[in-house]
Amino acid sequence: DTGVSQDPRHKITKRGQNVTFRCDPISEHNHLYWYRQTLGQGPEFLTYFQNEAQLEKSRLLSDRFSAERPKGSFSTLEIQRTEQGDSAMYLCASSLGTSGDGYEQYFGPGTRLTVT
Amino acid sequence: GEDVEQSLFLSVREGDSSVINCTYTDSSSTYLYWYKQEPGAGLQLLTYIFSNMDMKQDQRLTVLLNKKDKHLSLRIADTQTGDSAIYFCAERKSNYQLIWGAGTKLIIKP
Repeated sequence: DTGVSQDPRHKITKRGQNVTFRCDPISEHNHLYWYRQTLGQGPEFLTYFQNEAQLEKSRLLSDRFSAERPKGSFSTLEIQRTEQGDSAMYLCASSLGTSGDGYEQYFGPGTRLTVT
Repeated sequence: GEDVEQSLFLSVREGDSSVINCTYTDSSSTYLYWYKQEPGAGLQLLTYIFSNMDMKQDQRLTVLLNKKDKHLSLRIADTQTGDSAIYFCAERKSNYQLIWGAGTKLIIKP
C-alpha cells in the first residue's frame, strides 16, 4: 500500500460551481477524516467516518458541504455553490483507530482548491 | 477556548539544537502529537506522547510534557538542513478530533 491518496491534487473552479474530491485511505484503515487547511494555519477538522458511518461533522461544515464513504473504503467530499472563502487545502487522513500506534492519522497530500 | 498555541518561526544554526514549544488547552487530552509538513508534501507524524508520560526520546527527537502547565516541547538535536519544515503540535480531544496549532516554521541557518 502506498499510503493515503487524494484526487485531484489541484482544482481551480469558478464561484458557484460544484466540486468533488476523492480520498482513498490505506486499505485496512476503517477510520477516515477530512480536514481543511488555509495558509499559515493548522488543519481544521471537518468530518469523520468509521467504516461507512459518518459519526461527526464540524460546526464549520456548512450545508453546502457533504461527505460520503459509501462502502467504507474511499470517500468523497463535495462542495456545492463554491465561494471564494472555500479556497484552501483539503486534507484526508486515515487511521486504524488503535492505541498501539497512538491513534496515528496518516495524511494524504491534499487537494488544493482555488475558487476564482 | 480550543486554541493550541505555537510560535510562528524559529531560526537555528545548523548543528545546534532546536526547541519548538506548544501550549495546549485540554488537561484531559490523552495523546499529544508533533507532525512535520514539508513544502508539497503531506503531514507526517514525527512522534507522539501519551499523557501519563513526561518525556519521550526517539533518536534525535526529545518530547517533554508538562501537564501542570499544559506545555509540550519538541527538541531536535544536531539540526540539519533537511529538518527545515513547519512543525505542528496537536492534541487528541476525542476518538476522532485533533486540535492543531498554527505551526512553527523552522529555519536553518548555515
